[in-house]
Amino acid sequence: EIVLTQSPGTLSLSPGERATLSCRASQSVSNNYLAWYQQKPGQAPRLFIYGASSRATGIPDRFSGSGSGTDFTLTISRLEPEDFAVYFCQQYGGSATFGGGTKVEIK
Amino acid sequence: EVQLLESGGGLVQPGGSLRLSCVVSGFTFSTYAMSWVRQAPGKGLEWVSGISASGGNTYYADSVKGRFTISIDNSKNTLCLQMNSLRAEDTAVYYCAKESGVIGTPLFDYWGQGTLVTVSS
Repeated sequence: EIVLTQSPGTLSLSPGERATLSCRASQSVSNNYLAWYQQKPGQAPRLFIYGASSRATGIPDRFSGSGSGTDFTLTISRLEPEDFAVYFCQQYGGSATFGGGTKVEIK
Repeated sequence: EVQLLESGGGLVQPGGSLRLSCVVSGFTFSTYAMSWVRQAPGKGLEWVSGISASGGNTYYADSVKGRFTISIDNSKNTLCLQMNSLRAEDTAVYYCAKESGVIGTPLFDYWGQGTLVTVSS
């Protein structure tokens, strides 16, 4: 099973700042099948990024994903108020596994 | 519009059973694999079980293998999860999730709102 480790656990930033979230895999993720989801309190996760760098439908271009192999990054270029949430990475190269999440909170 | 609506959650004693259902609309149910993903209170996400579009192939996390059974009823556009021998550690919100369509790659493009299962005496 591929274990995904996300860092940091919490990111405290102000609106307008840049956010950089990391997801590290215990072994190489096949075909870069790495996704990012956003989850707000009381809501289901929402797919934001798939294939490490492709934005899902309706996701604004301030969100970008990068990386390959075992190291992946989600970047939010300028935080908007609605971006403060928890972000999970997930690999789907075999059976699905998720990272523990990074909470992006308002500083 | 794609919609997934779970039901069947509730409070159950350890060792008991529950059956979760997820009624879907807005897409051709018989074309896509489906999964259940759970989230313990205040914790991360855990994939629980998946089923192929035809229902012929099922998959389970080791933590639930032998206790949970996933199934589909294409005539009713419904995904089900039969949960037996429930334990306290099964307490979670259970989400049904539609897979994106590429066989063998459990990428979840749509999720239901979840149903809470609480296992406690």
